[in-house]
Amino acid sequence: EVQLVESGGGLVQPGGSLRLSCAASGFTFSGFAMSWVRQAPGKGLECISTITNGGQTTYDADSVKGRFTISRDNPKNTLYLQLSSLSGEDTAIYYCAKVNSAYVYGYGGGLFDFWGQGTLVTVSS
Amino acid sequence: EIVLTQSPGTLSLSPGERATLSCRASQSVNSNYLAWYQQKPGRAPRLLIYGASIRATGIPDRLSGGGSGTDFTLTISTLEPEDSAVYYCQQYGNSPRTFGQGTKLEIK
Repeated sequence: EVQLVESGGGLVQPGGSLRLSCAASGFTFSGFAMSWVRQAPGKGLECISTITNGGQTTYDADSVKGRFTISRDNPKNTLYLQLSSLSGEDTAIYYCAKVNSAYVYGYGGGLFDFWGQGTLVTVSS
Repeated sequence: EIVLTQSPGTLSLSPGERATLSCRASQSVNSNYLAWYQQKPGRAPRLLIYGASIRATGIPDRLSGGGSGTDFTLTISTLEPEDSAVYYCQQYGNSPRTFGQGTKLEIK
């Protein structure tokens, strides 16, 4: 059974930093691209970062470019998202999502066949 | 960027009725790479349909997807209370991949 378990969310002050983690199990983690998708309160879905299976290529949405960094540790079956220079607009539930292919070409992830339960990031003073 | 427009914004129906949700793309979706996701309150999205009409594993056959090019639909043939959720379409055939804004389905 595929499982994706996010952690690391919480309350952070504007301008602060946070690192999210996503522990994966039930599939060959190194064989698939992975993404972070966020959902602001009461809003829709936004794919913000994607990383190919080997970590060789990453794609970031304009809204987070230069502030967020996606990475992965395949031997540890873990996906990460480093968040910095946070503002209130970054308040959201952050989901990790498995892409159904090893590689993606372009932005916005791909077909997301499994999702984690999400971790809430609240940016407030 | 392909803009996906979902309609209606909210749909309120009774158990046993048929629901038809629409997703219209601003330009043709490559290879009909169109997916539907279901999101219940407080839960993560779940993949329902991909390739416009292929049901994901475990999805009952009372849910079906159709359409091609720029016009796509998700049909739920016989509504059950558990179908109450927000439904999102996503195109993954063009970069950047994009989501629609969602349709809220309420079961009376």
